[in-house]
Amino acid sequence: DTGVSQDPRHKITKRGQNVTFRCDPISEHNRLYWYRQTLGQGPEFLTYFQNEAQLEKSRLLSDRFSAERPKGSFSTLEIQRTEQGDSAMYLCASSLWVGWGGQETQYFGPGTRLLVL
Amino acid sequence: GQQVMQIPQYQHVQEGEDFTTYCNSSTTLSNIQWYKQRPGGHPVFLIQLVKSGEVKKQKRLTFQFGEAKKNSSLHITATQTTDVGTYFCAGPVTQGGSEKLVFGKGTKLTVNP
Repeated sequence: DTGVSQDPRHKITKRGQNVTFRCDPISEHNRLYWYRQTLGQGPEFLTYFQNEAQLEKSRLLSDRFSAERPKGSFSTLEIQRTEQGDSAMYLCASSLWVGWGGQETQYFGPGTRLLVL
Repeated sequence: GQQVMQIPQYQHVQEGEDFTTYCNSSTTLSNIQWYKQRPGGHPVFLIQLVKSGEVKKQKRLTFQFGEAKKNSSLHITATQTTDVGTYFCAGPVTQGGSEKLVFGKGTKLTVNP
């Protein structure tokens, strides 16, 4: 048990619907990352937060994707107008970043598997 | 931009054979980490290397950080079916004024019993 939880674990939706995923990080961690992973591929970076600030959003991410971390604790990832190509595992990870060149280790949650029909 | 690259992408071995995966960075890394993802699971942290030339062992796994701190390797001696999974390296990369952990694409290991 890594301490990072994600909800739901599985989501089936129809094309065009909106979906929202939640991630609860390890409580003392200040960073939270979202990744997307398709079968046989490595985690693809989507976005990350340090506390409540969204520091970076992947250029691969369309405007249909939005993420929030309003109080610097849990985060939500919303996909609007889902497409079949959005079907993937969405992974959340948290870490404690202590400064430049520091030893940041990411702890992953179990992921949310999305299937868009 | 800065990247973390891994080879090979896939490796299939007979049980008992050795396995090695290599990780290379275009820039010097302050540290490098290795993760393992079992089929159907999520990446799990294995180890972190910090010092130039550092070598660490975990049972049959040997991790090495290059002298220039730009490359790393993971070697598994006498593979077992429990070693099956994808092994990722990750290093801190500076992009857009911030530093974050960037993962390689991974090496998928399959072991034939």
